[in-house]
Amino acid sequence: DAGVIQSPRHEVTEMGQEVTLRCKPISGHDYLFWYRQTMMRGLELLIYFNNNVPIDDSGMPEDRFSAKMPNASFSTLKIQPSEPRDSAVYFCASSLPGGTQYFGPGTRLLVL
Amino acid sequence: QKEVEQDPGPLSVPEGAIVSLNCTYSNSAFQYFMWYRQYSRKGPELLMYTYSSGNKEDGRFTAQVDKSSKYISLFIRDSQPSDSATYLCAMTQGAQKLVFGQGTRLTINP
Repeated sequence: DAGVIQSPRHEVTEMGQEVTLRCKPISGHDYLFWYRQTMMRGLELLIYFNNNVPIDDSGMPEDRFSAKMPNASFSTLKIQPSEPRDSAVYFCASSLPGGTQYFGPGTRLLVL
Repeated sequence: QKEVEQDPGPLSVPEGAIVSLNCTYSNSAFQYFMWYRQYSRKGPELLMYTYSSGNKEDGRFTAQVDKSSKYISLFIRDSQPSDSATYLCAMTQGAQKLVFGQGTRLTINP
């Protein structure tokens, strides 16, 4: 199994630009999670889906952030417009119900 | 105040030492407790999982939970340079939503 796949691995953009992060979960996993990790705040859950439906988006920081899961094998996290304080490592994870969350390698985002 | 508190370190110890990593939490509804290990520039991976007070051992690793004190620990015996990583505690009320500590960066010196 390839594990959770994220793209791009690195993204450098300028303030105000739109950023789209992509995730392919492990096949068969019903749950998909988006996290953000910074030195100051640690690892924070942004949103999670069950069977492609958003269940809890209380961690999404602002309306500039949106996430979609159009099918069981693909999800996106979009930031529009991006700001320097959005610079972080964004992780996607997936799991079976009640199971271990498996994390992808992350996308390192730098907003200048 | 954060729901889960973890000293970010860094912590540096010599090879072979016993390492103790700790987290405290404020939400008494947390029922399941985990330790994740994260190597540099990688995603976290589950190391240990427990749901009851007491100790759970897996090789050189021991997870300890004290629900009455809202305190969990991870002990690493005979530490190796390959154990150098960031260790994150995580906990949940039973649903899928995990709350993580900030992570402790550990270095084992040969």
